[in-house]
Amino acid sequence: DIVMTQSPDSLAVSLGERATINCKSSRSVLYSSNNKNYLAWYKQKPGQPPRLLIYWASTRESGVPDRFSGSGSGTDFTLTISSLQAEDVAVYYCQQYYSTPQTFGPGTKVDIK
Amino acid sequence: EVQLVESGGGLVQPGGSLRLSCAASGFTFSSYWMTWVRQAPGKGLEWVANINQDGSEEDYVDSLKGRFTISRDNAKSSLYLQMNSLRVEDTAVYYCVCPLFYQFLSPLNNWGQGTLVTVSS
Repeated sequence: DIVMTQSPDSLAVSLGERATINCKSSRSVLYSSNNKNYLAWYKQKPGQPPRLLIYWASTRESGVPDRFSGSGSGTDFTLTISSLQAEDVAVYYCQQYYSTPQTFGPGTKVDIK
Repeated sequence: EVQLVESGGGLVQPGGSLRLSCAASGFTFSSYWMTWVRQAPGKGLEWVANINQDGSEEDYVDSLKGRFTISRDNAKSSLYLQMNSLRVEDTAVYYCVCPLFYQFLSPLNNWGQGTLVTVSS
């Protein structure tokens, strides 16, 4: 199974400041035949199901604000919130869908400083 | 609008069984692989199983093989998860999920609200 790790476990950022979350996979999730990274990011607020933010490592899902961006390739990925808003307080998960079982990172909790 | 409504959760004793159901609407259910994901209280997300469009292919996380069975009824636009020999560590919210794309390997963009399964004596 591909193991996903995230750092940091939690972070607190001032409103309007940048938040950066890192994700690492134990094996490359880059599919050579189509040059796509099978890596997604999700946001989960308490009591709610996760919401897909980013897929193919850098493609924003419909309706996701453009302050959210994803980058990286192979085994190392980053989710950036360019200007943190109050509604961004949540836990963020990365996930690989390169192979089954699809696996998630342990999550990063984002709070307001 | 895509809707996924899970049901069937509840309190069950260790060793018992439960069958979860997911009623789907707002999309062509028979065109998509479908997935179950679970989340233990206060913990992260765990992919449980998925099933292909006609139900002929299933895949499970290794730790659950032999105890859990995923199935579907396209005529009823419903997804199921039969859970046997339940353990305390199976306590979790179970989510029914439809992927973004038709194919096998796809991000998960439509989630139900989940149903809570509590395994306790």
